[in-house]
Amino acid sequence: DTEVTQTPKHLVMGMTNKKSLKCEQHMGHRAMYWYKQKAKKPPELMFVYSYEKLSINESVPSRFSPECPNSSLLNLHLHALQPEDSALYLCASSHGGTGFSSGANVLTFGAGSRLTVL
Amino acid sequence: AQKVTQAQTEISVVEKEDVTLDCVYETRDTTYYLFWYKQPPSGELVFLIRRNSFDEQNEISGRYSWNFQKSTSSFNFTITASQVVDSAVYFCALRPYSGAGSYQLTFGKGTKLSVIP
Repeated sequence: DTEVTQTPKHLVMGMTNKKSLKCEQHMGHRAMYWYKQKAKKPPELMFVYSYEKLSINESVPSRFSPECPNSSLLNLHLHALQPEDSALYLCASSHGGTGFSSGANVLTFGAGSRLTVL
Repeated sequence: AQKVTQAQTEISVVEKEDVTLDCVYETRDTTYYLFWYKQPPSGELVFLIRRNSFDEQNEISGRYSWNFQKSTSSFNFTITASQVVDSAVYFCALRPYSGAGSYQLTFGKGTKLSVIP
């Protein structure tokens, strides 16, 4: 079983819907990440939270809104998405934060939420 | 700028054959980390190995082995006696140890391995 749990596994939504993806980890990790992965492509970083504060936003459109309610939870709120936003959304976490020397930290990924926008 | 190249897009082997997945990287950092992840059809990226740029010792874990050669900027991955369960997409990735970009994991495009029974 993965130590990073993502729900739902599958989500189908219309362009006018509002939905949320959820991610949970109980490993004591203090950095949490959202990645987007299109078919046959590598994951692309969207957001990074470090110690529950948004530290990195990779120029993601505002129709994606992240939230980190506490150190174990990470949400991605979705609103007015486009069909091209259909993808696998992966959550990950790692020890420590995203400080100056965090490159050694191993990311632990969840199984992803597969999103289809109609 | 960092770059990871996995030239093999897809590989098919017959079960029990050995297979090597190539990874070549580019970086200006003196200290960095290299990773391999496995992504089975279920979607989850599974961590396989992390390698420090100062440690060029080869590593073996069961049927898996990794060959890190700093001189050629390569970090190749070999599966010995492949099994059907090894079928997956394998990603090589690079991360600087320090600096403003140390949060960033740069992935290669991945190699899809199919092991045929």
